[in-house]
Amino acid sequence: DTGVSQNPRHKITKRGQNVTFRCDPISEHNRLYWYRQTLGQGPEFLTYFQNEAQLEKSRLLSDRFSAERPKGSFSTLEIQRTEQGDSAMYLCASSLGGTANQPQHFGDGTRLSIL
Amino acid sequence: DQQVKQNSPSLSVQEGRISILNCDYTNSMFDYFLWYKKYPAEGPTFLISISSIKDKNEDGRFTVFLNKSAKHLSLHIVPSQPGDSAVYFCAATTNTGNQFYFGTGTSLTVIP
Repeated sequence: DTGVSQNPRHKITKRGQNVTFRCDPISEHNRLYWYRQTLGQGPEFLTYFQNEAQLEKSRLLSDRFSAERPKGSFSTLEIQRTEQGDSAMYLCASSLGGTANQPQHFGDGTRLSIL
Repeated sequence: DQQVKQNSPSLSVQEGRISILNCDYTNSMFDYFLWYKKYPAEGPTFLISISSIKDKNEDGRFTVFLNKSAKHLSLHIVPSQPGDSAVYFCAATTNTGNQFYFGTGTSLTVIP
């Protein structure tokens, strides 16, 4: 299967710990997005990469959050000093570049639970 | 602020009938609109999209209509099938595609 892959699927951690999630996009996709989704809400945009360049960041992305895409392929999202409010589903999506009118393809997400 | 709104949290439809899901937006710079379907424990799956230069796009049982003057789009599913039962999200973006905005979703139940 060549879809978007996210690991781990679930993460349970204590408040104050650091967590890191990984996203492997569809191989030919040069655009990569991170979203957060909480119960009853739609996905909320966090950040966007075109190749290895981080071109857009939401104001939702506090200084405890950092994302990287070092070689323009996989990406990581790190949350430092986790808080209760960070509990959510974290979704990664990728799309083909070239034109803006391309649909995003999502992974199945990483569900983060903060104890 | 919510730039894409889905005001109906849920919808129930009989199998074989038409399902109509609605979405409103506020940003006049949006020029590409999408619908996604989401099953529990899975990520959203792309369903159909429409560019602002069109007012209708069809793909099999799914048709999306765009009314730019009203800043409104709708998704029609005909005929509805039990397998269509899922949460449907409307999304929009500008011509840069740098950021996508999603509605809060409508949970569709198709009753056999």
